[in-house]
Amino acid sequence: TQLLEQSPQFLSIQEGENLTVYCNSSSVFSSLQWYRQEPGEGPVLLVTVVTGGEVKKLKRLTFQFGDARKDSSLHITAAQPGDTGLYLCAGGRSNYQLIWGAGTKLIIKP
Amino acid sequence: SQTIHQWPATLVQPVGSPLSLECTVEGTSNPNLYWYRQAAGRGLQLLFYSVGIGQISSEVPQNLSASRPQDRQFILSSKKLLLSDSGFYLCAWSGQVEAFFGQGTRLTVV
Repeated sequence: TQLLEQSPQFLSIQEGENLTVYCNSSSVFSSLQWYRQEPGEGPVLLVTVVTGGEVKKLKRLTFQFGDARKDSSLHITAAQPGDTGLYLCAGGRSNYQLIWGAGTKLIIKP
Repeated sequence: SQTIHQWPATLVQPVGSPLSLECTVEGTSNPNLYWYRQAAGRGLQLLFYSVGIGQISSEVPQNLSASRPQDRQFILSSKKLLLSDSGFYLCAWSGQVEAFFGQGTRLTVV
């Protein structure tokens, strides 16, 4: 079974601080996606990375796919209260299935 | 553009009663369809996925079943609900890589 370990599980920081969330696996994925979910709603796709070493930026969010395509990170600069939510990573397999991390619950305090 | 509709948003059902959750997708054809269950603030557990009409794969043996009577319709059912079936159920579709989610159904079995 392919596992995708996501850390930390919970993170509470002050507005303006930086943070990094990690997803790690011993398996290679064809793609790695990050989603953000708010309470009572479905996850919303933030980004997809497909190439080893790829870096994508979405305003204050920076996503990186590991060179070996086994891990990924999400870095948020100068976190804002609006960044609060559950962040989920998902690794893509060739048969269109996704392997999901357990999620990082992020709280940004004003 | 593609949209996904899932209903109802909330549902309270007595133990032993049947269940039917419906999900429909618009704006795409032959999507891969998924049913997930999510514990509070945690990751997603894949319940069923379907790559075509009448084709259902079950990931976790349980009290639930799924059907795909039409290309863009996916139904989650149970003949007799258990207390342990309570949770947040999410329908999703994908083309090749990314998943797009419905709003979710909060099911409470009492």
